[in-house]
Amino acid sequence: AQTVTQSQPEMSVQEAETVTLSCTYDTSESDYYLFWYKQPPSRQMILVIRQEAYKQQNATENRFSVNFQKAAKSFSLKISDSQLGDAAMYFCAYRSALGEKLTFGTGTRLTIIP
Amino acid sequence: DAGITQSPRHKVTETGTPVTLRCHQTENHRYMYWYRQDPGHGLRLIHYSYGVKDTDKGEVSDGYSVSRSKTEDFLLTLESATSSQTSVYFCAISGSEAGGNTGELFFGEGSRLTVL
Repeated sequence: AQTVTQSQPEMSVQEAETVTLSCTYDTSESDYYLFWYKQPPSRQMILVIRQEAYKQQNATENRFSVNFQKAAKSFSLKISDSQLGDAAMYFCAYRSALGEKLTFGTGTRLTIIP
Repeated sequence: DAGITQSPRHKVTETGTPVTLRCHQTENHRYMYWYRQDPGHGLRLIHYSYGVKDTDKGEVSDGYSVSRSKTEDFLLTLESATSSQTSVYFCAISGSEAGGNTGELFFGEGSRLTVL
């Protein structure tokens, strides 16, 4: 079974600075998707960014980018120019390209310091 | 935003009582899921459905049952609620419609269940 590990339960960053959240995963498959979801205090799960394993280019969405290292099975999220609205729980998730289920990590709580 | 509605959004019940949570979608997506969220555990899959009357178990399915009689509705039932089932429950959907399945799940707003 696939597992997803987020080893940082909590992180904090000064407003306008850059922060990187770590995620590693375990799989024997070669084709899969990886995701970062954000959960603000409203509890809504919001997709931040998505990466297909067959694409070598790292995904980017405005201030959010990933560092996808397929051989190392690592998928970190970089948030640039951190804003107060970025404060949330962040979940890393894995889905096999042939499967129906998303497997989540345990989450990282990000605090933004004004 | 994906059209997903969960009901009820909040419920307090007593140990031993039955509870049903409803998820309704307006997107005509094939796949529907129930996850629970607990501190320190992230989101864990309870059950999912890949079509009408087609369901399968997730990693924490004990004590839960599901039904899907229509594409748009996916029900989660706790036959006899226990305190360990106090949690936030999320419904999610995923598409395999024309245009391709992009892989991500779209989530409802969650239902907070407290079992006393």
